Amino acid sequence: GAVVSQHPSWVICKSGTSVKIECRSLDFQATTMFWYRQFPKQSLMLMATSNEGSKATYEQGVEKDKFLINHASLTLSTLTVTSAHPEDSSFYICSARAGPPDTEAFFGQGTRLTVV
Amino acid sequence: RKEVEQDPGPFNVPEGATVAFNCTYSNSASQSFFWYRQDCRKEPKLLMSVYSSGNEDGRFTAQLNRASQYISLLIRDSKLSDSATYLCVVNIWSGGGADGLTFGKGTHLIIQP
Repeated sequence: GAVVSQHPSWVICKSGTSVKIECRSLDFQATTMFWYRQFPKQSLMLMATSNEGSKATYEQGVEKDKFLINHASLTLSTLTVTSAHPEDSSFYICSARAGPPDTEAFFGQGTRLTVV
Repeated sequence: RKEVEQDPGPFNVPEGATVAFNCTYSNSASQSFFWYRQDCRKEPKLLMSVYSSGNEDGRFTAQLNRASQYISLLIRDSKLSDSATYLCVVNIWSGGGADGLTFGKGTHLIIQP
């Protein structure tokens, strides 16, 4: 299958700092990328959907000013957690899709963020 | 009511047995259906898409019942390597508006030797 690379795989940061997570589709052009968050023993929750070159669409309850998403090219999307707090500690995972919604979405390896 | 509901398990099943998972979804506008597999601390990977006509891939069979808003996954002749969490996933996209996958919490399967 296609490869989606997410970096870093884990990060520890101090409260109040910002963290950037990158998501790259290595062997295909991703028209749509998604960012999810997963708390322990919970399901993956969609945070936002982004199409290349346009603003991301955020799910209800997700602060767009706190979770900045940039999808500048067909192979790269970034999620920046600004002014991180301990409650932002979670597993963040991206996925990318080359075709319409009934086609497969490929997932990155995820980023485990710990805010101390 | 949760959008996608699954029995979390764990299901402890002897190797070689047949096991079935069920999933219900609440949004009747859901258009696309999938089963993903997630190993511990790994990313989800597509196991199979689910079609109204039902589909089979080797030991795996998926069924969709739109009227009952119900999806199933059957694993025959289970292997130790089938141990994982199985995620029921739907997408309500219908040509415009919201996109993105909605995940169930997953069903944890443990195949015992």
